[in-house]
Amino acid sequence: AQSVTQPDIHITVSEGASLELRCNYSYGATPYLFWYVQSPGQGLQLLLKYFSGDTLVQGIKGFEAEFKRSQSSFNLRKPSVHWSDAAEYFCAVGRIDSNYQLIWGAGTKLIIKP
Amino acid sequence: EAQVTQNPRYLITVTGKKLTVTCSQNMNHEYMSWYRQDPGLGLRQIYYSMNVEVTDKGDVPEGYKVSRKEKRNFPLILESPSPNQTSLYFCASSKEGNTEAFFGQGTRLTVV
Repeated sequence: AQSVTQPDIHITVSEGASLELRCNYSYGATPYLFWYVQSPGQGLQLLLKYFSGDTLVQGIKGFEAEFKRSQSSFNLRKPSVHWSDAAEYFCAVGRIDSNYQLIWGAGTKLIIKP
Repeated sequence: EAQVTQNPRYLITVTGKKLTVTCSQNMNHEYMSWYRQDPGLGLRQIYYSMNVEVTDKGDVPEGYKVSRKEKRNFPLILESPSPNQTSLYFCASSKEGNTEAFFGQGTRLTVV
């Protein structure tokens, strides 16, 4: 069955340090790939997406993600985090064998140390 | 402004009292869906709709109903709410189900 794994439930990073959030998927073909952010008390906002082409994708708020087909991964990175980046981050996969479903990871909560 | 609007934002109700959470989008999207979010479980899809009058079950449909009479609206109905439906609910819309989803602000439901 298709699945999305975010292996880290929580990650703590010092302000100004670099960040990498992991996402692995299990799927037969290269799906559409997304990262969303959910700030406390808010809905989900799209950070970036990958459909095809360049495997390094730039998003909003200084985030980027790299698609690695050989590892079935789509990890999210930021070179220097800010306290305002504290939030929950979700990876999602859009199935390409049907047009009606996104498959979601369980989320990673990012905590920023001052 | 492109948006998905759901109401109410917060709701406390008693077991068995029917309720409706409304959802409306202004982007002319074909696809709409409802999710519930519970700690440690991420987002789970309840129902989705690919077009007007076309709805189908997601992963956790038990205890919920939906309707899609107009393209812009997709209400979620709990005919007889139970405490295990206490959760954070999100409505989302997109051009297709596997493309970028736009989310509402969420409805925090407590069933006592």
